[in-house]
Amino acid sequence: DVKVTQSSRYLVKRTGEKVFLECVQDMDHENMFWYRQDPGLGLRLIYFSYDVKMKEKGDIPEGYSVSREKKERFSLILESASTNQTSMYLCASSLSRADEQYFGPGTRLTVT
Amino acid sequence: DAKTTQPPSMDCAEGRAANLPCNHSTISGNEYVYWYRQIHSQGPQYIIHGLKNNETNEMASLIITEDRKSSTLILPHATLRDTAVYYCIAGAGSYQLTFGKGTKLSVIP
Repeated sequence: DVKVTQSSRYLVKRTGEKVFLECVQDMDHENMFWYRQDPGLGLRLIYFSYDVKMKEKGDIPEGYSVSREKKERFSLILESASTNQTSMYLCASSLSRADEQYFGPGTRLTVT
Repeated sequence: DAKTTQPPSMDCAEGRAANLPCNHSTISGNEYVYWYRQIHSQGPQYIIHGLKNNETNEMASLIITEDRKSSTLILPHATLRDTAVYYCIAGAGSYQLTFGKGTKLSVIP
């Protein structure tokens, strides 16, 4: 059974803190994605990775960085969290370019 | 990505077929039509996708018009668990999926 897991369901951090969000997939998928979801704005792509150590910017990469050292793991990093980064963060993976994406359950991050 | 247009909300009686329309009049020849849904507080779930031909799987059917400018997702026997936001996306592949606002489907007992 396909599985994408995220390290936390809920997270509360203070402004200026460095935040790590972890995502793991067990399907040997090539591609992994990070989105954020905000009311009225839908899902917006932050970064994606098509291979180990490879990454591409999505639509809203500012304020974020990513790391993919192993095929199964894709990390999203907020170098200095700000209140406007309070959001639901969703990780996804797909086998190949035309294939469907499988999503994790999401991490609801609150920055105070 | 081609832009897609969906109604913001729809109701469907439990046990009846739910037909969710999507307009993608600017879709290009190499772009697929993908459907996902998101149940409240969960991550989106893939339903089905197609290029030209109609597709069916255990969850739903996808009907794409011959000119590919619109499509319909059909849930043959809607249940209360199908209440969700349904997203229609047109894109050439995983890298190019832009999720819009979708259609909020409410299945009524």
